[in-house]
Amino acid sequence: ETVMTQSPATLSVSPGERATLSCRTSQSISSSLAWYQQKPGQAPRLLIYGASTRATGIPARFSGIGSGTEFTLTISSLQSEDFAVYYCQQYDKWPPWTFGQGTKVDMK
Amino acid sequence: EVQLVESGGGLVQPGGSLRLSCAVSGFTLSSYWMHWVRQVPGKGLVWVSRMNSDGSSTSYADSVKGRFTISRDNAKNTLYLQMNSLRAEDTGVFYCVRETTGTGEWYFDLWGRGTLVIVSS
Repeated sequence: ETVMTQSPATLSVSPGERATLSCRTSQSISSSLAWYQQKPGQAPRLLIYGASTRATGIPARFSGIGSGTEFTLTISSLQSEDFAVYYCQQYDKWPPWTFGQGTKVDMK
Repeated sequence: EVQLVESGGGLVQPGGSLRLSCAVSGFTLSSYWMHWVRQVPGKGLVWVSRMNSDGSSTSYADSVKGRFTISRDNAKNTLYLQMNSLRAEDTGVFYCVRETTGTGEWYFDLWGRGTLVIVSS
């Protein structure tokens, strides 16, 4: 099983600031990584796939980079609607499909 | 509108059974692999099961193997998860999830709102 490790667990950021989230995998997954955003009471929403491709309708302030075992999601200028929990997921080595434990982005 | 709508959750005693349903609309179920993902409220996401587009192949998390069965009725545009021998640790929100197709990638591009399963005496 490919273990996903996200850091930090919580990131406190002020609106307008940059947020950088990390995801590390226990084995190489090429670029088969997705990022999801989840707000309270809602289902996860796809943000990024292929490590760096934004899903339809996702603002350009969200960007992803990485390959192999190290990945990063950056929110360039945090908006109020971006405070949420973010999960990474690998879809290279399955089953099982595995998720990170999440990074909560909250307001400083 | 393209959407997934889960139903069938509820409170069940340990050892009991539930059948979850996922009604799809706005797209043809038979074209997609489908999954179930569980989330304990306030915790992370855990993949549970998947079925390929024609129903000929399935996979399960080790924790549910032999107890849960995924199935689909493409004519009714509905995905199911039969859950038997339920345990307290099965408690959570169960999401029906669509895996994308035709892009050369296999990420989860559409999620339902989920249905809550509580296993407790």
